[in-house]
Amino acid sequence: QQQVKQSPQSLIVQKGGISIINCAYENTAFDYFPWYQQFPGKGPALLIAIRPDVSEKKEGRFTISFNKSAKQFSLHIMDSQPGDSATYFCAASMDDYKLSFGAGTTVTVRA
Amino acid sequence: DAGITQSPRHKVTETGTPVTLRCHQTENHRYMYWYRQDPGHGLRLIHYSYGVKDTDKGEVSDGYSVSRSKTEDFLLTLESATSSQTSVYFCAIGTSGNEQYFGPGTRLTVT
Repeated sequence: QQQVKQSPQSLIVQKGGISIINCAYENTAFDYFPWYQQFPGKGPALLIAIRPDVSEKKEGRFTISFNKSAKQFSLHIMDSQPGDSATYFCAASMDDYKLSFGAGTTVTVRA
Repeated sequence: DAGITQSPRHKVTETGTPVTLRCHQTENHRYMYWYRQDPGHGLRLIHYSYGVKDTDKGEVSDGYSVSRSKTEDFLLTLESATSSQTSVYFCAIGTSGNEQYFGPGTRLTVT
């Protein structure tokens, strides 16, 4: 049973558009929420992470929005570029340092 | 890949044979993890280690064992490989702050 539910499974966006990926969780003990980016044939790479004491975190074109009451968090990719085409995973962990991952979203950015 | 190497990178083996995958880090991190990645499931934790000789099970540990005799090495063993263990295996290293960094992966095919 997946502890973190991720949607959509895939999305296509035009260059310059906004990509939005959503994740939901049930375990209120989770206190760390990272996003990973993975290119084909490579390992996942840590992209950005947030803790529940803030509602938003921005790094460059990537923003995490966090809604503690709804137990949801999302990744926004602004001004999407063809180089952003990858699979994105959300995850969550608590103080045991074990990550539970969503199933992944494949993002395709059309030039 | 954050000072993490995995070997072998590709392996084809027959059902019933033992297989050992190796993860080596040069970062001196305390935490090490083994995940498997399968379509539609994201990454699932197999086993993890929080120090030399200190290991524990993840969510999909059946059929797998691990050992960590040195800080830098974490071995994953499939005692008797089955076709359901065909997957891509990723090692990760972690800091005390929950951040995890992944290796390049090992693609294992059990025929």
